[in-house]
Amino acid sequence: EVQLLESGGGLVQPGGSLRLSCAASGFTFSSYAMNWVRQAPGKGLEWVSSISGGGITTNYAESVKGRFTISRDNSKNTLYLQMNSLRAEDTAVYYCAKKIGGSYGLDYWGQGTLVTVSS
Amino acid sequence: QSALTQPPSASGSPGQSVTISCTGTSSDVGGYNYVSWYQQHPGKAPKFMIYEVSKRPSGVPDRFSGSKSGNTASLTVSGLQAEDEADYYCNSYAGSNNYVFGTGTKVTVL
Repeated sequence: EVQLLESGGGLVQPGGSLRLSCAASGFTFSSYAMNWVRQAPGKGLEWVSSISGGGITTNYAESVKGRFTISRDNSKNTLYLQMNSLRAEDTAVYYCAKKIGGSYGLDYWGQGTLVTVSS
Repeated sequence: QSALTQPPSASGSPGQSVTISCTGTSSDVGGYNYVSWYQQHPGKAPKFMIYEVSKRPSGVPDRFSGSKSGNTASLTVSGLQAEDEADYYCNSYAGSNNYVFGTGTKVTVL
C-alpha cells in the first residue's frame, strides 16, 4: 500500500525558513517523480514543485521560484521542500503527491502538513 | 501560469448527472491530452479520479467520466450519489514538467 506522510509544518515568522519532509513507502520511490501541491485556507489547489525520480530535474511555480528548493533522498525514501524567505501568502496545507508512472497525473497524496507564516 | 477556469458550483439531485467544465488555453488543456481530475472532501487530501482526459484509475466508479474539446475539458458525474458531494479540481500538464490546477467546483447533491 502506497503511503505518503508529510511532516515539518508549523508556525514561522515572515522571512523565516522551514523544511518539509515526506516519507514514502509501498512503492519503488526512486522510480517516480514527486510533487508538492499546496492549498491556502479556504482556497484551491496550487502546484508548487516537481522533481524527477533521480532528482536531476526540478521545476517550480513562478510564485515560489528562487525561494523554495525541492530535493529527495532515494536512500531514505524521502522527499523534501526547503522553504526560505517565507511570506504570509505561503500559508497553506502542503501536500506531497506521487506522479503516476508513464503519464501525467498525481495518483497518491499525503494527508498534508500546515504551514502558517505569521508574526 | 494562470489557473484553469471552473464554475464555482454545480448541483444535481440523486440519480441525476452533473457536468463540470475546465477551461484553459492552447498552452495547457488544448495542447496536451494530460488533463486529470481530483475529488476533495472537506478536510481530506485530494483523490485521483481521472487522468489523460478520460481514463479512470482502478477503483474509481464508471459513473465518473471525462472528455475534452479544444481548450475545455469536462468531468461528468452520472447517477449522483450523496458521497459525490465534494470539491472537484481539474489539472493540466502545461509543458516543461509544469502543472496548473483549476479554480475548483463545489458539487452539491440536492
